[in-house]
Amino acid sequence: DGGITQSPKYLFRKEGQNVTLSCEQNLNHDAMYWYRQDPGQGLRLIYYSQIVNDFQKGDIAEGYSVSREKKESFPLTVTSAQKNPTAFYLCASSIGASVGNEQFFGPGTRLTVL
Amino acid sequence: AQSVTQLDSHVSVSEGTPVLLRCNYSSSYSPSLFWYVQHPNKGLQLLLKYTSAATLVKGINGFEAEFKKSETSFHLTKPSAHMSDAAEYFCVVSDRWRDDKIIFGKGTRLHILP
Repeated sequence: DGGITQSPKYLFRKEGQNVTLSCEQNLNHDAMYWYRQDPGQGLRLIYYSQIVNDFQKGDIAEGYSVSREKKESFPLTVTSAQKNPTAFYLCASSIGASVGNEQFFGPGTRLTVL
Repeated sequence: AQSVTQLDSHVSVSEGTPVLLRCNYSSSYSPSLFWYVQHPNKGLQLLLKYTSAATLVKGINGFEAEFKKSETSFHLTKPSAHMSDAAEYFCVVSDRWRDDKIIFGKGTRLHILP
């Protein structure tokens, strides 16, 4: 089955720790995205990548980092610099970088800071 | 610059009655418009999209939306609600000729009453 997988589904972090969220897709899509979702705020773009070895900051990139070493993978690291990391994180991909293309979403990772 | 406004944060309808979820947008150029659905603790799934063809767009699960340029609206409708339609719905806008921004609305929670 083609699709996007995110792991883990739930993640707990102590304050001051970095954590990495996994996102893998087998759709052969060029573009990948990370969003943060908070209640009542919709989705906010953290980072996006249009091609391997390239990525751009979104609207709320501070305290986050990404890499895109392989087409299939776009991991997100939540660093200790992110002051309020508790949220639901969604990864998405699209066939190309054009904003007219449909985005396919993973099932999400819920991060809780203890 | 683009923006999108979902006019209701919550909508409640009885099972078997029509559904109307309202979305207004602003766009400087030619917009692409999408509706996505999200069930609790899941990723988003595309319901339908408008990219400049027919103004009445049919999607999955009996949903449809009409692009009205004069009213800058893209309201989502369904003739008869089903219990399984209970979810959060997001309206999304992007400018087809400016490949740099995809804007999500804040979402509308649809409740189905038995």
